[in-house]
Amino acid sequence: KQEVTQIPAALSVPEGENLVLNCSFTDSAIYNLQWFRQDPGKGLTSLLLIQSSQREQTSGRLNASLDKSSGRSTLYIAASQPGDSATYLCAVMGSGSYQLTFGKGTKLSVIP
Amino acid sequence: GAVVSQHPSWVICKSGTSVKIECRSLDFQATTMFWYRQFPKQSLMLMATSNEGSKATYEQGVEKDKFLINHASLTLSTLTVTSAHPEDSSFYICSAGDRGAGYTFGSGTRLTVV
Repeated sequence: KQEVTQIPAALSVPEGENLVLNCSFTDSAIYNLQWFRQDPGKGLTSLLLIQSSQREQTSGRLNASLDKSSGRSTLYIAASQPGDSATYLCAVMGSGSYQLTFGKGTKLSVIP
Repeated sequence: GAVVSQHPSWVICKSGTSVKIECRSLDFQATTMFWYRQFPKQSLMLMATSNEGSKATYEQGVEKDKFLINHASLTLSTLTVTSAHPEDSSFYICSAGDRGAGYTFGSGTRLTVV
C-alpha cells in the first residue's frame, strides 16, 4: 500500500526566503505526482503535475522535482511571499490506479 | 482549464436529517468523480469513486448506506449523507479530471451536524 510522507509538518519563514518542501512515497511504481495548495477551509488548487517520466516541472516561482527511484519529490518556492502561506499537499497516483494517495501536508507560514 | 464546482460551501443540519452535496464538472465530461473527507489537520481520505451510470465503489470502512452516491450524468455527482450525526461533521471535497492531465478539486463543503 502506497504511503506518502511530507516533512516538515509546518514551516515558518521570513518573506523573501527560498524554501523547499519534501515529499516521499514508499512505492516507486507511480503514474504521476501532483502538488496542491489548500487555503484554510477551502478546496485544493493544483500547482504542478509531474509525470513519472519527467524529472521536474516549473510554474513561475515554483519548481517541483521528482526522483522516482528514491521515492522523493521536492517543491521549491523562490522568493516566498505572505500570499504563499497555505498548506501544501503532495499526492501520488500509482501506475495501476486512478486514485490519488495524499500526504498530510506541510503548513507554510511566510512572515512579512 | 478543468473546473469543478461543489455546492453548498457549508451546511448546518440537525441530527437525523439528510444532506445532499453536489459536484459538477463545468467544462468537461467526467465519467469518474471522487469523494474525499478531510478531518482537521489531517489529509484527504478517499471515501468513494463515483462512476457515471453505475454503482459507486466505496473504500473499506465507508458505509455505503450512510453515504449515498449518485452519478446520473457525465457532469454531476451527488453525495447524500443520510441520517446525519455529529460524528459526520467534516469537510467533504470532490474531484474529477483526467488521469494523465491531473485532477481538479471542488471548493469543498463544510458539514456541521448539530
